[in-house]
Amino acid sequence: GDSVTQMEGPVTLSEEAFLTINCTYTATGYPSLFWYVQYPGEGLQLLLKATKADDKGSNKGFEATYRKETTSFHLEKGSVQVSDSAVYFCALNLGSNYQLIWGAGTKLIIKP
Amino acid sequence: GAVVSQHPSWVICKSGTSVKIECRSLDFQATTMFWYRQFPKQSLMLMATSNEGSKATYEQGVEKDKFLINHASLTLSTLTVTSAHPEDSSFYICSARSDLDGYTFGSGTRLTVV
Repeated sequence: GDSVTQMEGPVTLSEEAFLTINCTYTATGYPSLFWYVQYPGEGLQLLLKATKADDKGSNKGFEATYRKETTSFHLEKGSVQVSDSAVYFCALNLGSNYQLIWGAGTKLIIKP
Repeated sequence: GAVVSQHPSWVICKSGTSVKIECRSLDFQATTMFWYRQFPKQSLMLMATSNEGSKATYEQGVEKDKFLINHASLTLSTLTVTSAHPEDSSFYICSARSDLDGYTFGSGTRLTVV
């Protein structure tokens, strides 16, 4: 079945470090791919998305490129800040019933 | 942008009582609303999908008589946890979908049953 696999956390980095959170997917069709972020005590917010192969989503310094050949959508940021500490979820949607299929989430901890 | 308001943000109730959680799309009409449950340090678990005016579609393993979902209008869906027990304590999140804005999530409700 369709699924999303994320790297396990927590990921702990120092401020200004480079961030990569891996996300790979399995899907029978051509999904749209999303990254959501959940800050402590808050709900989910859409961080970025890509709807077709080779699209790059970007927002707040974060980027992710839809790689069909490797079925991946890795999240990257060149220089993280303490305020980026949150849980990040990768998700896909095939559109047939509008359900999102979620990865397990990766907790990111940024130390000053 | 699209905003979904979810209330209450947290609630404590006694075992055996019922709790209602509201999810409103403030500036758009949501064709579909979703209810999720999130366990500590885990991902979101989809509980049910509801379309306005029709019965909710529950995921396998979710008790429809315990988690009552009403989607009476294009801007309001409610989740009622009936006869709550401590194992129902969790973080519940709603999401509303529109063709224009995609998915928008509420800020979640922390339910604690004592």
